[in-house]
Amino acid sequence: KQEVTQIPAALSVPEGENLVLNCSFTDSAIYNLQWFRQDPGKGLTSLLLIQSSQREQTSGRLNASLDKSSGRSTLYIAASQPGDSATYLCAVNDLDAGNMLTFGGGTRLMVKP
Amino acid sequence: DTGVSQNPRHKITKRGQNVTFRCDPISEHNRLYWYRQTLGQGPEFLTYFQNEAQLEKSRLLSDRFSAERPKGSFSTLEIQRTEQGDSAMYLCASSLFGGAGEKLFFGSGTQLSVL
Repeated sequence: KQEVTQIPAALSVPEGENLVLNCSFTDSAIYNLQWFRQDPGKGLTSLLLIQSSQREQTSGRLNASLDKSSGRSTLYIAASQPGDSATYLCAVNDLDAGNMLTFGGGTRLMVKP
Repeated sequence: DTGVSQNPRHKITKRGQNVTFRCDPISEHNRLYWYRQTLGQGPEFLTYFQNEAQLEKSRLLSDRFSAERPKGSFSTLEIQRTEQGDSAMYLCASSLFGGAGEKLFFGSGTQLSVL
């Protein structure tokens, strides 16, 4: 059974810092991996999707990498801003899971002005 | 593209009552998913449809839960005889099967509180 872990569970940084969020998964037979952002009491917004054949994806100040063999992904946020404060979730789509996403518990990020 | 719409946003009910949630996916999306999220946790998969066919159901979906997607458009999730443990955010998502990477688009969720 796929298990997804995110470290750290919570992170507080001053504005302007570059930061890295970590995601690890136990079964490397994945179809893709997605990073989502969730604001309090709201739904999820997809940030980046990395196919299993890809190493990384970039969107603006965000860069996500994938090392399938070691079961790891990182989300890099450059020049953090207070508006980046949210919970960041990673989710893997297993090859044999019938298109079900398995989510990690999330990292709660606070960027202080 | 108006996004995924979920109604109601909030639902408060007494234990033992039945509740029904509605999800309207992005119009051209053929896959629709239901997830459940409790406070401080990541979402957990419940079920998904491709068009009107329900293709997968989680063990979390007890016999008190039923989901439908008539005509392959909107979907409803019904919970019968609600229990306090059913209190959670119920999230709907849609995607285009065969699209690039099949990115999921989530709605804002329905927050259920069972008293």
